[in-house]
Amino acid sequence: ETGVTQSPTHLIKTRGQQVTLRCSSQSGHNTVSWYQQALGQGPQFIFQYYREEENGRGNFPPRFSGLQFPNYSSELNVNALELDDSALYLCASSSSLGETQYFGPGTRLLVL
Amino acid sequence: GDSVTQMEGPVTLSEEAFLTINCTYTATGYPSLFWYVQYPGEGLQLLLKATKADDKGSNKGFEATYRKETTSFHLEKGSVQVSDSAVYFCALSDLGYQKVTFGTGTKLQVIP
Repeated sequence: ETGVTQSPTHLIKTRGQQVTLRCSSQSGHNTVSWYQQALGQGPQFIFQYYREEENGRGNFPPRFSGLQFPNYSSELNVNALELDDSALYLCASSSSLGETQYFGPGTRLLVL
Repeated sequence: GDSVTQMEGPVTLSEEAFLTINCTYTATGYPSLFWYVQYPGEGLQLLLKATKADDKGSNKGFEATYRKETTSFHLEKGSVQVSDSAVYFCALSDLGYQKVTFGTGTKLQVIP
């Protein structure tokens, strides 16, 4: 059984650019959540997708957006990057709503 | 809103010492509680969970008991190993598992 995978592993962007991060959910999982983990902090919830629809959103601005595809993989898009967007971005999948979330290894984004 | 408070680190222990990492939470309703572990440079791994009051989660020698009366979920291990060195996150999930709310993490260093 393949776990949650994310790509790329590392990324460097400059302020004002746009970035797309990708996540493949664990086999059989239809729910994907995204989190931002700043250095030395716990992860913060960005949003969740369930069967291709957004199911909830944390306190992040609209320039953070996402998609979930029919195969339940997902993308996180961030527009107009700011220096404070530098963080580890984690994707988590679960077999359905109400089930335990399992995390991928993350994408480390550095904004210069 | 929901929140998790855990003891600040770093915690430094000698191998085979007893470990306790304190965690308390604030939540409406009856959340599920988790401990996640993050090894250097990696994503989060689920260590253990408990879904209702008085449940005990356990894994790899670690244990935590869901105490509703004290709103606590302290992590314990009887004898730590060098390989247990990592950052430990206490977390809770709301009823709908829409998101996981994390504490700020406790870094554990075990020395030989």
